[in-house]
Amino acid sequence: SQTIHQWPATLVQPVGSPLSLECTVEGTSNPNLYWYRQAAGRGLQLLFYSVGIGQISSEVPQNLSASRPQDRQFILSSKKLLLSDSGFYLCAWSVLTGGAKGNTEAFFGQGTRLTVV
Amino acid sequence: GDSVTQMEGPVTLSEEAFLTINCTYTATGYPSLFWYVQYPGEGLQLLLKATKADDKGSNKGFEATYRKETTSFHLEKGSVQVSDSAVYFCALCDTGFQKLVFGTGTRLLVSP
Repeated sequence: SQTIHQWPATLVQPVGSPLSLECTVEGTSNPNLYWYRQAAGRGLQLLFYSVGIGQISSEVPQNLSASRPQDRQFILSSKKLLLSDSGFYLCAWSVLTGGAKGNTEAFFGQGTRLTVV
Repeated sequence: GDSVTQMEGPVTLSEEAFLTINCTYTATGYPSLFWYVQYPGEGLQLLLKATKADDKGSNKGFEATYRKETTSFHLEKGSVQVSDSAVYFCALCDTGFQKLVFGTGTRLLVSP
């Protein structure tokens, strides 16, 4: 069965420090991978998505970046964190499950609570 | 770009009341539509989905019909339970099955 691992679960970082959040997926090949940020009152904001190794699409210009060094690994990074980067970060994956139009479903990790102080 | 608009919450209901959570979308082509649910202290999980116009997704007593003419995918349940208290997210996936976009979420509170 497929599983998704996201770590760490919680993180407190000072302003200006770097960030690296990692997400790995097991049990599937060539998934679409996503990074979301969930902020109170703002729902789920899509930050980045990737359809293959080295392919990253950015949805929101900001001081975050993403990389996909391996098929099932997705990393969210920052060189210098801002206070506004605080939030709950979720990694997700999806694959087409067949059919003429496809029937993709996304599966989410448990999330990382980031507090920038 | 693609987007999803949900009604603002919280929605507060008594047990056995009828539930409607509105969702409308903007997208090019023919997106797939989803409802996800996030129970307290848990991650997001798929509730139901519909991939083409007039499809009805259903699960756990919840239903939503893909209405292309009104670009809507409203979530309904005939009789809610306390255990349905959660945050509900409407989402769409673009025609190319690449980008998954969520609404802001609607919190549902059901009291006994």
